[in-house]
Amino acid sequence: NAGVTQTPKFRVLKTGQSMTLLCAQDMNHEYMYWYRQDPGMGLRLIHYSVGEGTTAKGEVPDGYNVSRLKKQNFLLGLESAAPSQTSVYFCASREPGRGGRKAFFGQGTRLTVV
Amino acid sequence: DAKTTQPTSMDCAEGRAANLPCNHSTISGNEYVYWYRQIHSQGPQYIIHGLKNNETNEMASLIITEDRKSSTLILPHATLRDTAVYYCIVRVGEGSSNTGKLIFGQGTTLQVKP
Repeated sequence: NAGVTQTPKFRVLKTGQSMTLLCAQDMNHEYMYWYRQDPGMGLRLIHYSVGEGTTAKGEVPDGYNVSRLKKQNFLLGLESAAPSQTSVYFCASREPGRGGRKAFFGQGTRLTVV
Repeated sequence: DAKTTQPTSMDCAEGRAANLPCNHSTISGNEYVYWYRQIHSQGPQYIIHGLKNNETNEMASLIITEDRKSSTLILPHATLRDTAVYYCIVRVGEGSSNTGKLIFGQGTTLQVKP
């Protein structure tokens, strides 16, 4: 049981390049999230999805796009990378439920934009 | 989601109980209190959650005050491996307009010392 898997784990981009971060979960969860974490700071929500084909903006969505074409995958795209997007990116997933449900996180993607 | 306030850092002696406080004075009746921790730069790990009653699991105990405006996470016998950043999150229950959002604050850095 792999849980939440993020690809790639590390990446260096040049300013203006584009890339896609992949998050895959094998727990059949409805909800998925993308966060970024800058040094010494907490996680900030970029975008999230409450089901296949749906996405919504979080706290810091500018400069990013997302897609949830398949339930198990949540893609985060950077169309034109900027140095300000240098960060560690975490993906998470969870089930909805009135009783409260815990989220599972991936191990992160460390992105450097030079 | 209700805002949470946590101390920036705390120390605890190995083998002693670690008590981590969290204030959430604007919490609503349908909002759950969640605790996660992040060890080094790994993905956050779920610890425990509750609505109004105290909760206990194999990792920790969660004490929520009767007015629900604050809570305390208790690690009964802290070890060096419990050194981490601990996040208190208050999240709305299902069915609201904010369904799915999971917003992190700055967290408390717990240092367990030998």
